[in-house]
Amino acid sequence: ETGVTQSPTHLIKTRGQQVTLRCSSQSGHNTVSWYQQALGQGPQFIFQYYREEENGRGNFPPRFSGLQFPNYSSELNVNALELDDSALYLCASSANTVNTEAFFGQGTRLTVV
Amino acid sequence: SQQGEEDPQALSIQEGENATMNCSYKTSINNLQWYRQNSGRGLVHLILIRSNEREKHSGRLRVTLDTSKKSSSLLITASRAADTASYFCATTEGYSTLTFGKGTMLLVSP
Repeated sequence: ETGVTQSPTHLIKTRGQQVTLRCSSQSGHNTVSWYQQALGQGPQFIFQYYREEENGRGNFPPRFSGLQFPNYSSELNVNALELDDSALYLCASSANTVNTEAFFGQGTRLTVV
Repeated sequence: SQQGEEDPQALSIQEGENATMNCSYKTSINNLQWYRQNSGRGLVHLILIRSNEREKHSGRLRVTLDTSKKSSSLLITASRAADTASYFCATTEGYSTLTFGKGTMLLVSP
């Protein structure tokens, strides 16, 4: 167990809808990163939050947005869902220092129909 | 985009044999990490090797890093059926943002 929890574990949404995924970070970690993993692929970096501010973003459109709260938990919001958004969404918490490992949650499996 | 590329894409061995997976990457890095993933669930951190290190051990795992060739290898010795999983390498250029490869699927048969 990593201490990083994600909810929900599975979700089915209709194209065009909006979704919010949640992540609680490991105690003592102030940085949360979100990744999208399509079937058969490696995780792709979406964005990172450090102390409630976005601290880096991957190649994802603006309809992917996020928040980090004072307790360092985080949300990932996706608007106007598309079929290609179907994936496993992974949250990782870490300390914001060089050469530190990231601890991942079990992920949220999103299916867009 | 993917930074690392694992090789092979899939590997099937018998229990007790050693498994070697390779990873190549493109840019300069702070460190390289290996992760394991069971059945499309969360990633489990295995080992981190810094850019100034050449080899690191953790239990049955041995990782090497060659920054001149931009490559790394993960060796699992005396494999067990429970080692069956997908293995990913990930590089870090800044603080903690990870860039993953596509992974190697390892099947260990009893």
